[in-house]
Amino acid sequence: QAVVTQEPSLTVSPGGTVTLTCGSSTGAVTSGHYPYWFQQKPGQAPRALIYDTSKKHSWTPARFSGSLVGGKAALTLSDAQPEDEAEYYCLLHSGGRGVFGGGTRLTVL
Amino acid sequence: QVQLQQSGPGLVKPSQTLSLTCAISGDSVSSNSAVWNWIRQSPARGLEWLGRTYYRSKWYNDYAVSVKSRITINPDTSKNQFSLQLNSVTPEDTAMYYCASWYYTYWGQGTLVTVSS
Repeated sequence: QAVVTQEPSLTVSPGGTVTLTCGSSTGAVTSGHYPYWFQQKPGQAPRALIYDTSKKHSWTPARFSGSLVGGKAALTLSDAQPEDEAEYYCLLHSGGRGVFGGGTRLTVL
Repeated sequence: QVQLQQSGPGLVKPSQTLSLTCAISGDSVSSNSAVWNWIRQSPARGLEWLGRTYYRSKWYNDYAVSVKSRITINPDTSKNQFSLQLNSVTPEDTAMYYCASWYYTYWGQGTLVTVSS
């Protein structure tokens, strides 16, 4: 089973831009992994922001975008807001199975 | 609007079977476009995808390698729900358990399951 890696923590200034990445121990992440991105705030269930690499749910703020960069899935947050401070998780699928990354704690400061 | 309502015990003894149910409203468990997932989260293990069930002319299941020998996810078309069974539990299975729909759009409310004697 693949190990999915994310930056443990990142900090972004209000109004700034930050990119979170999601890599796989088995090689390059592709669209065939159907990358997902979730946001989780304390005491809440995870909420899906991005699915299938770059597709957004109706509630996903426009400042979030998903892509593939350098063999990894990426979540880019532009014009960061204080309410974006949260834990972010990626999820990759392979062979029908899903594997979550360990999460990135994003601080907006 | 799809809603998922979880039910099941919050306390399970070691070596016994953890059983949870996720009742679906607003969609059908046997929809040809839906996928139904179970996920858990604990401080020690983080978020962990456990498995899924879906219908595409027949029923399919996929399970995480870490629990493959102990897990069963079953659809119940008569009650429009799906269930999770995890056998031979240990304290390491203590976690918040969630059911979730396709694209992880809709989530159950979560069930905190503690494995303890």
